[in-house]
Amino acid sequence: GAGVSQSPSNKVTEKGKDVELRCDPISGHTALYWYRQSLGQGLEFLIYFQGNSAPDKSGLPSDRFSAERTGGSVSTLTIQRTQQEDSAVYLCASSLGGGLSKNIQYFGAGTRLSVL
Amino acid sequence: AQKVTQAQTEISVVEKEDVTLDCVYETRDTTYYLFWYKQPPSGELVFLIRRNSFDEQNEISGRYSWNFQKSTSSFNFTITASQVVDSAVYFCSLFTSGTYKYIFGTGTRLKVLA
Repeated sequence: GAGVSQSPSNKVTEKGKDVELRCDPISGHTALYWYRQSLGQGLEFLIYFQGNSAPDKSGLPSDRFSAERTGGSVSTLTIQRTQQEDSAVYLCASSLGGGLSKNIQYFGAGTRLSVL
Repeated sequence: AQKVTQAQTEISVVEKEDVTLDCVYETRDTTYYLFWYKQPPSGELVFLIRRNSFDEQNEISGRYSWNFQKSTSSFNFTITASQVVDSAVYFCSLFTSGTYKYIFGTGTRLKVLA
C-alpha cells in the first residue's frame, strides 16, 4: 500500500477481553516495529520484526502481549485479558530494513485502545 | 546505554518567531542515526530528517534547519518564522547499529499561537 495501515483506528473493550490490532506495512518493507504511546508520553518500544522473525521482543510488557507476522507483511499484536493500564495508542512502523542505511521508519496512524 | 533527552516538554511561541527544539543523545556506538519526527494532532508521526554519525553537516529545508554536533551529542531542530501549522509534538530518535532499535525522546510539544 501507499502507507502503513493500522486497524481498527479505535477499539473500546472491556477489562479481561482479548484484542487484536493489525498492521499492514508499506509493500516491500521487511522491518516492522510496534510501539505503545500512553497519553502525553513518548514512544515505548514493544517488538521488532525482520521478515517473519522477531529478533527483539524485549519491550513486550507482559506475557499477555504477543505479536506475529506472516508472509513478511501483515502483523498482528494481540493483548490477552486486557487491563485498564493497557489503554494507549499502539503505533506500527515499517522500514525497508536489510541495512543501516534503509532505516527510515514510516508510521501508521495508530490504534487507540480504551479498556473500560 | 542508549538514551535520548528532550528536556523541553512544551514550548509556546507566537507566529513568526523562531524556535529551537533541543535533543541530546547518549550512545557508545560509533555508527548511529538520528531522526526527527513530527506528530500533528492527527497522531501519525511524520518523518522529517535523518542524519548519520559520520555526517555532521547542518541541513536546511525551507523553514527547518538542523544542527548536529557530536562534540556535545546534540541534534537540535530550528523552525524559522514559525506558523500555526507547525503546532505538533516533535520527537527526536536514535538508531544504533548495535541494537537495531530506535530510542525516542519524550517529545516536545510546540504550540504556535496566531
